[in-house]
Amino acid sequence: QSALTQPPSASGSPGQSVTISCTGTSSDVGGFNYVSWYQQHPGKAPKLMIYEVSKRPSGVPDRFSGSKSGNTASLTVSGLQAEDEADYYCSSYAGSLWVFGGGTKLTVL
Amino acid sequence: QVQLVQSGAEVKKPGASVKVSCKASGYTFTNYYMHWVRQAPGQGLEWMGIINPSGGGTSYAQKFQGRVTMTRDTSTSTVYMELSSLRSEDTAVYYCARDLYGSGSLVFWGQGTMVTVSS
Repeated sequence: QSALTQPPSASGSPGQSVTISCTGTSSDVGGFNYVSWYQQHPGKAPKLMIYEVSKRPSGVPDRFSGSKSGNTASLTVSGLQAEDEADYYCSSYAGSLWVFGGGTKLTVL
Repeated sequence: QVQLVQSGAEVKKPGASVKVSCKASGYTFTNYYMHWVRQAPGQGLEWMGIINPSGGGTSYAQKFQGRVTMTRDTSTSTVYMELSSLRSEDTAVYYCARDLYGSGSLVFWGQGTMVTVSS
């Protein structure tokens, strides 16, 4: 099972919006609505930000949103804030197993 | 509140095995799947496998098939991940993470256990 494809880096200025893509196949992202997004700050455990493509857990700001089209899922962070600078990982169900993306380092300029 | 508390750091020699524990509290242990995810230094997250604490059923990533064993002890609400035939590439932080309700949405994470493989 191959890892999902994410851009290694993304950036934006405070207040701007940035979108991170996550490309898989019809066997994972395209085949199921079980895509999750995680935020990870250095030295910390990952934090669930989006689940089942577009749902937000309690406590996650509505600046974070998720979507999916075909085999590509996307995470959009609106109104960028300094604390959004982190690594972001997507994950997808792939039929009795799960797979992560390689991660995207988001820099707030 | 939900807590996942993992065992402490380990240093192992190549070829040895390591067993990491993850003790759960604050919820009904048998109601939620548990995943294991690892992260090598400076690298991304890697899914290793999942265990159903209720029946003990497991599913492992192909990469770890034959080397990993996930078990659980319902009397202590603890899951275990044992990785054998360790090599230097297995040096990583190992996390247990609880599923939200079976969709692979990992909502609660342990603090991580650093496993170092070195001769």
